[in-house]
Amino acid sequence: DTGVSQDPRHKITKRGQNVTFRCDPISEHNRLYWYRQTLGQGPEFLTYFQNEAQLEKSRLLSDRFSAERPKGSFSTLEIQRTEQGDSAMYLCASSFLGAAGDTEAFFGQGTRLTVV
Amino acid sequence: AQTVTQSQPEMSVQEAETVTLSCTYDTSESNYYLFWYKQPPSRQMILVIRQEAYKQQNATENRFSVNFQKAAKSFSLKISDSQLGDTAMYFCAFWGAGNMLTFGGGTRLMVKP
Repeated sequence: DTGVSQDPRHKITKRGQNVTFRCDPISEHNRLYWYRQTLGQGPEFLTYFQNEAQLEKSRLLSDRFSAERPKGSFSTLEIQRTEQGDSAMYLCASSFLGAAGDTEAFFGQGTRLTVV
Repeated sequence: AQTVTQSQPEMSVQEAETVTLSCTYDTSESNYYLFWYKQPPSRQMILVIRQEAYKQQNATENRFSVNFQKAAKSFSLKISDSQLGDTAMYFCAFWGAGNMLTFGGGTRLMVKP
């Protein structure tokens, strides 16, 4: 296991199209997070899962955004009817919550979305 | 809600010298963690150093150390013997009861030969 992987690395889409991103966390990690990072800014939290349960969603996550983690392993983030303001880097991270607490979050390389 | 502020958008340092990046945060929580993450150009974010708020001793990790002032809500990162590979964006981040990282806006560090 080489870490958190995200696919695709880059996506260019026309405004109004739907896009879906995939994140594969580190295999033993039970927590998975999605963040959005615009150019020159720090990442902003979108949502997180513990196993397959989506426990928290940011107000940044409009109705056009949906995330799933169907079997508590990989996750998908879908954006419907994309807008130019959705252009950003979408980062996935994972961590392990155990009896001793939470480990650090490990990040993937991100999916860069450009809406034209 | 927590906020994290990095007041230095850009910094530069000569190779082999020492540089300090600043971070302040605001929270009403007493138990939390603070982190510094490094994001090299076009590469993934990696953890540099971590500090538990209940620990008085400042964390160190090789050339990286922090100055954690809990009362002042300050968490600065010192990089000693700077290397060209330290060139990156550095993000200060807070982790508390909300189970999510709150990031500052970042500091772009350039190490010059």
